[in-house]
Amino acid sequence: EVQLVESGGGLVQPGGSLKLSCAASGFTFSGSNIYWVRQASGKGLEWVGRIRTKANNYATTYAASLEGRFTMSRDDSKNTAYLQMNSLKTEDTAVYYCTKLGGAEGSWGQGTLVTVSS
Amino acid sequence: DIVMTQTPLSLSVTPGQPASISCKSTQSLLHSDGKTYLYWFLQKPGQPPQFLIFEVSNRFSGVPDRFSGSGSGTDFTLKISRVEADDVGVYYCMQSIQVPLTFGGGTKVEIK
Repeated sequence: EVQLVESGGGLVQPGGSLKLSCAASGFTFSGSNIYWVRQASGKGLEWVGRIRTKANNYATTYAASLEGRFTMSRDDSKNTAYLQMNSLKTEDTAVYYCTKLGGAEGSWGQGTLVTVSS
Repeated sequence: DIVMTQTPLSLSVTPGQPASISCKSTQSLLHSDGKTYLYWFLQKPGQPPQFLIFEVSNRFSGVPDRFSGSGSGTDFTLKISRVEADDVGVYYCMQSIQVPLTFGGGTKVEIK
């Protein structure tokens, strides 16, 4: 069974940093692109970014709105993807999901809540 | 970016009755590999999204056959043949043919 488990969310002050993790199991993690999506309370879904596989040089693509503040990485030996978030703003407050696509193996994590507030 | 437009915004359905949701994209979601990269998923209240349909019409494992997807190119439809109480939530379409992934605005389904 494909499973994604996010962790690392919490309360952080504006301007602060946080690093989220996405632990994967049940599929070939090293061969899969990983996506991050966020959802502010009561709102729709917003794409954050994608990290590709080693075969594609771990290429990353980010939402333009993030202005270079977020960085994705992955450790295939640990079947884990990461989202480093810097210079956080109040508008970054949201539940952050990692997701895997790819036909019938598509899956969402349960999400981790990030709250940016003083 | 590809814009995904869903209609209606909300549906109130009597149990046992059908429901239909439309999703239109501003660009074709048909890839050169022959696949059409359109997903449907449901977000129940207080829960993460859960995939229902991939590549327009393929149900994920465990999804009841009351759910069906159809369409091609830029026009897609999700149908629920007989709505049940457990089907309440917000339904979204999503394209994955290119990044950024983009989502429809959601259709809230409630039971009368």
